[in-house]
Amino acid sequence: NAGVMQNPRHLVRRRGQEARLRCSPMKGHSHVYWYRQLPEEGLKFMVYLQKENIIDESGMPKERFSAEFPKEGPSILRIQQVVRGDSAAYFCASSPGQGSPLHFGNGTRLTVT
Amino acid sequence: GENVEQHPSTLSVQEGDSAVIKCTYSDSASNYFPWYKQELGKGPQLIIDIRSNVGEKKDQRIAVTLNKTAKHFSLHITETQPEDSAVYFCAASKDDKIIFGKGTRLHILP
Repeated sequence: NAGVMQNPRHLVRRRGQEARLRCSPMKGHSHVYWYRQLPEEGLKFMVYLQKENIIDESGMPKERFSAEFPKEGPSILRIQQVVRGDSAAYFCASSPGQGSPLHFGNGTRLTVT
Repeated sequence: GENVEQHPSTLSVQEGDSAVIKCTYSDSASNYFPWYKQELGKGPQLIIDIRSNVGEKKDQRIAVTLNKTAKHFSLHITETQPEDSAVYFCAASKDDKIIFGKGTRLHILP
């Protein structure tokens, strides 16, 4: 049973480009979460989605960032017009439902040059 | 919203000794408290969790305690081993939104 799959593992973008990060949840999991981690810091909540719905996006910057979890296919975290401050590790987690533990992927490390 | 404070940020213990990491949370409605271990280059992995109707839970060398009145919870690792070296995160959750502490880097000294 494959775990949470994130790709790419490493992504390099120049300032002003777009970054698209993908997350395939564990089989049977319908809840997806995105977190951002800066070096030597904790995991900062960004957004919580269920299939086709954004449940809580209180941690997402209002501009340039968006997330989706379509009926078919992986969840996508999209960052438009990236800036150096967007450089971080982005982790996706999934769970089967309310009150269940989160299972994390191994992250995408975004570097903006 | 919920705020989770975690201490210490770094902890070094001799192999075989015990390690204790402490967390506090702000939202009294939080009812689920997981602990995660993160190794270099990997995502966090759940090691133990506790719910608000339980005061203590143990799994082999790992135990977690919860004091709801004081809004404190702690992770205890006994008989530490080299493979326990990692970053540990506590978290608190209400309504499926899980908020993490800033982490504790645990070093096990030979």
